[in-house]
Amino acid sequence: DIQLTQSPSFLSASVGDRVTITCRASQGISSYLAWYQQKPGKAPKLLIYAASTLQSGVPSRFSGSGSGTEFTLTISSLQPEDFATYYCQQLNSYPSLTFGGGTKVEIK
Amino acid sequence: QVQLQESGPGLVKPSGTLSLTCAVSGGSISSSNWWSWVRQPPGKGLEWIGEIYHSGSTNYNPSLKSRVTISVDKSKNQFSLKLSSVTAADTAVYYCARRIAAAGKAFDIWGQGTMVTVSS
Repeated sequence: DIQLTQSPSFLSASVGDRVTITCRASQGISSYLAWYQQKPGKAPKLLIYAASTLQSGVPSRFSGSGSGTEFTLTISSLQPEDFATYYCQQLNSYPSLTFGGGTKVEIK
Repeated sequence: QVQLQESGPGLVKPSGTLSLTCAVSGGSISSSNWWSWVRQPPGKGLEWIGEIYHSGSTNYNPSLKSRVTISVDKSKNQFSLKLSSVTAADTAVYYCARRIAAAGKAFDIWGQGTMVTVSS
């Protein structure tokens, strides 16, 4: 199975900060990586798929990059509504469409 | 637009079978999509359980494969999850989700989730 390791697992930041979250895969997954945002009590929301394609309706301050085994999610200027937990997911191969462990972004 | 809604018992006894249904509205379950189940134990991360295509083709997480069955009912435009021999470790919020069957696509539509507690 492909394992995904997110770092950091916790991040404290201020409104307006540039934030970067990393997701590392245990083996190459081409560009088949997605990023989700989840707020407490809510379902995850798709932000980015295919490593760098912004889902329709998602603000342009979110961006994704990477391929192979290393990927990043960047929020260019953190907004109050961005405080949430972020997950990566690999969709390259079965048997399991693995999620990363999550990164919680909190207000400093 | 397409919406998903989970339903089923919120409490299941240990060693019993968890059964949930996801109703698809605003679109056809027979479109080119995979239909998945994902769960999240309280305070923990997301775990993909498995998925089904309208043809009946399935893929399951190996860690749950021996206990999971996902089925589709095209006449009712819904799909279902059965998880057998449940324990307290299966207590979680269960989500259904859609993934377009094209390269690189991800889970773009999710249900609101339903909490299932395993307890006697």
